[in-house]
Amino acid sequence: GQSLEQPSEVTAVEGAIVQINCTYQTSGFYGLSWYQQHDGGAPTFLSYNGLDGLEETGRFSSFLSRSDSYGYLLLQELQMKDSASYFCAVRDGQRSGGYQKVTFGTGTKLQVIP
Amino acid sequence: DTEVTQTPKHLVMGMTNKKSLKCEQHMGHRAMYWYKQKAKKPPELMFVYSYEKLSINESVPSRFSPECPNSSLLNLHLHALQPEDSALYLCASSPRFGSGETQYFGPGTRLLVL
Repeated sequence: GQSLEQPSEVTAVEGAIVQINCTYQTSGFYGLSWYQQHDGGAPTFLSYNGLDGLEETGRFSSFLSRSDSYGYLLLQELQMKDSASYFCAVRDGQRSGGYQKVTFGTGTKLQVIP
Repeated sequence: DTEVTQTPKHLVMGMTNKKSLKCEQHMGHRAMYWYKQKAKKPPELMFVYSYEKLSINESVPSRFSPECPNSSLLNLHLHALQPEDSALYLCASSPRFGSGETQYFGPGTRLLVL
């Protein structure tokens, strides 16, 4: 079956850098996404890695190593508003009805402190 | 318009009630999804519609009945729910059939079953 592991909680100081890791085991793999969800809100898409390497989008970067079944989200110059839950999500090879299913990780609650 | 809208925002219903959740998007996306999310857990996929046809039913109980009247609208009909069905119900869409890397989520309907 599919499994995606993330740390449950991370605390970091405003202005610092934090890395949130995601390791996965899936049957087939087509890409890793990251979503941010504030308490009471909806998940919002942050980034996607289909190939190995680093993708940078402003203060957020995401990395993927397919050989290690591992990725991470890097948040720089942390702001208080970055306090949220962060989910990795794998697009895997379950071809149920021809659709490549997306499975979400367990989620990491990031708390940014002054 | 890059928004997915959902109504109602909150819903309280008894176990004998019938209610419907509604979702709408005008981004021209051809895949739409229903997710269920319990507190402090990741979203769990319930249904996927592609080109207005049901592509995925993740073994969801029949008391949940999805409907896709057209390419912009997605409904979830609820009947005889149980208290354990209380959760945040999220609708999402993505541009094309089989694309799982970017899903756009609505704000969700917070459902309480008494």
